[in-house]
Amino acid sequence: GNSVTQMEGPVTLSEEAFLTINCTYTATGYPSLFWYVQYPGEGLQLLLKATKADDKGSNKGFEATYRKETTSFHLEKGSVQVSDSAVYFCALSDLTSGSARQLTFGSGTQLTVLP
Amino acid sequence: DVKVTQSSRYLVKRTGEKVFLECVQDMDHENMFWYRQDPGLGLRLIYFSYDVKMKEKGDIPEGYSVSREKKERFSLILESASTNQTSMYLCASSPPTGGLFFGEGSRLTVL
Repeated sequence: GNSVTQMEGPVTLSEEAFLTINCTYTATGYPSLFWYVQYPGEGLQLLLKATKADDKGSNKGFEATYRKETTSFHLEKGSVQVSDSAVYFCALSDLTSGSARQLTFGSGTQLTVLP
Repeated sequence: DVKVTQSSRYLVKRTGEKVFLECVQDMDHENMFWYRQDPGLGLRLIYFSYDVKMKEKGDIPEGYSVSREKKERFSLILESASTNQTSMYLCASSPPTGGLFFGEGSRLTVL
């Protein structure tokens, strides 16, 4: 079956530090990959996505590249801000399995950015 | 922009009460979902629906039921609330191309 593994948190960084949150996946087909962000007290918001190998998703300074050879989709940002403090979820949608409408989520990584 | 609205942000109920959590989406999506979110467990799928009056069990359906009488509305029902159902409940809808649009969540406390 499908699964997503994220690096465990919490992650604490100083403002302007470089961020990497690791995500690897297992899928039987050819999944689309997503990063969602959840700010305190809110629901999840789509941050970025990639639908095929070597695609790069980007938004708000965050980037992630779909690496089929390493089955990874690591989230990166060159310079984090205090406002980036949130929980980040990696997820996949397997378009070939017949369950395209469902997502498989990682367990989430809490990021705290200190001023 | 897609908007998914959950009727209550915070609820406090007593053990044994019947609880309704309502969710409405405004983008004519066929697919709607209910998840619960618990610390250390991530998001777990309770029920989902592909069409009006259609429902399917997710990974943790026990103790829950759902209703989809109209395309835009998907309700989660706790027939007899228990303390282990204290959680954050997230509703989402999805277009045919995949991905999910979430509501802001309903935090339920069962005393």
